[in-house]
Amino acid sequence: ETGVTQTPRHLVMGMTNKKSLKCEQHLGHNAMYWYKQSAKKPLELMFVYNFKEQTENNSVPSRFSPECPNSSHLFLHLHTLQPEDSALYLCASSQMGGRTYNEQFFGPGTRLTVL
Amino acid sequence: DQQVKQNSPSLSVQEGRISILNCDYTNSMFDYFLWYKKYPAEGPTFLISISSIKDKNEDGRFTVFLNKSAKHLSLHIVPSQPGDSAVYFCETGNQFYFGTGTSLTVIP
Repeated sequence: ETGVTQTPRHLVMGMTNKKSLKCEQHLGHNAMYWYKQSAKKPLELMFVYNFKEQTENNSVPSRFSPECPNSSHLFLHLHTLQPEDSALYLCASSQMGGRTYNEQFFGPGTRLTVL
Repeated sequence: DQQVKQNSPSLSVQEGRISILNCDYTNSMFDYFLWYKKYPAEGPTFLISISSIKDKNEDGRFTVFLNKSAKHLSLHIVPSQPGDSAVYFCETGNQFYFGTGTSLTVIP
């Protein structure tokens, strides 16, 4: 595997379900990100992890719970979601994190539908 | 309120001609900008960047221009090719603000 991978690619869940999104980067990067992209809206930053430590939480509701066990893996745990949480969730990585000037490498995204 | 705006949701250009994609931003403190392109079912991929100490950066067929006084940047693609058909996003480098994207179609 190369680049940034995300699983699953598609997910349909009910509002009472618990599910997790997984992201893995094979680039040796130190920072990982979760973004949400809703229809007709720009990408919204959710979380940033730098060297496994969370450095940004963009006022995300607690029903989204990130986990970063190491610099290569990032999870987004989902529980009691709302239909308005239906969106494309993108994971990204970069060499350095925080407010630094470097490009991000994105995975293909998970298309989430909450019923 | 959106910090970065791409006011043209779509653009169609003939193959071989120039494509110009535009992006406006609100905060004059933003000092680094990136362009990404996205094909369907794939994540965005980095294309080109520019620092505010420059007003132009060129990479092959792609050139980004920055007008700091107007808080405006543009991406020029010359000559446009059918493989350039994608959605293009601008981003403020260290603030993580993205535009909504412009869908470019290059007609053979």
